[in-house]
Amino acid sequence: SQKIEQNSEALNIQEGKTATLTCNYTNYSPAYLQWYRQDPGRGPVFLLLIRENEKEKRKERLKVTFDTTLKQSLFHITASQPADSATYLCALSRGGATNKLIFGTGTLLAVQP
Amino acid sequence: GAVVSQHPSWVICKSGTSVKIECRSLDFQATTMFWYRQFPKQSLMLMATSNEGSKATYEQGVEKDKFLINHASLTLSTLTVTSAHPEDSSFYICSAREPELGETQYFGPGTRLLVL
Repeated sequence: SQKIEQNSEALNIQEGKTATLTCNYTNYSPAYLQWYRQDPGRGPVFLLLIRENEKEKRKERLKVTFDTTLKQSLFHITASQPADSATYLCALSRGGATNKLIFGTGTLLAVQP
Repeated sequence: GAVVSQHPSWVICKSGTSVKIECRSLDFQATTMFWYRQFPKQSLMLMATSNEGSKATYEQGVEKDKFLINHASLTLSTLTVTSAHPEDSSFYICSAREPELGETQYFGPGTRLLVL
């Protein structure tokens, strides 16, 4: 069965540094890979989507890479701020009529001031 | 745009009672809605997918008679947890999708259910 793994432990970084989160998957061929942010007790909030034929996507301080050969996506937050502290989830899908999302385990990011 | 609401945001009920959770897309028409469950420190697990006007498709291991889903309109889906038990206590989150908006799912704020 498909498996999606993210940095299993919390990631602690200093304010201003770049945070890099990893998402690895097996037994799956996604057409789309998405990153979401989730704050405690809240639903996920969409951040970025990257397609299988795209290598990199950027949005403001966020950058996502997608390597279908390595079966890996990297999510970068540059110039990190304490307000970026949250759990970040990667999610894979094949698209189509219902576009079912399969979520990774999530990585808790803590940005220290 | 693409806002999804849920009601209630939290609910406490006695074991054996039924609880209904509403999910609404406020500014778009959602042809497909999804229901997820999330236990503490775990990721979201898809429970079922519902398309407007048709029966929901449940994931393996999810009891369709226990978790009743109705997607009666393009802006409303409901999840009813029937005869709730303490093990049903969880964080229930819905999401909605409209193909014209792309592949992204837009999530509601979640409903915390505690069954005593």
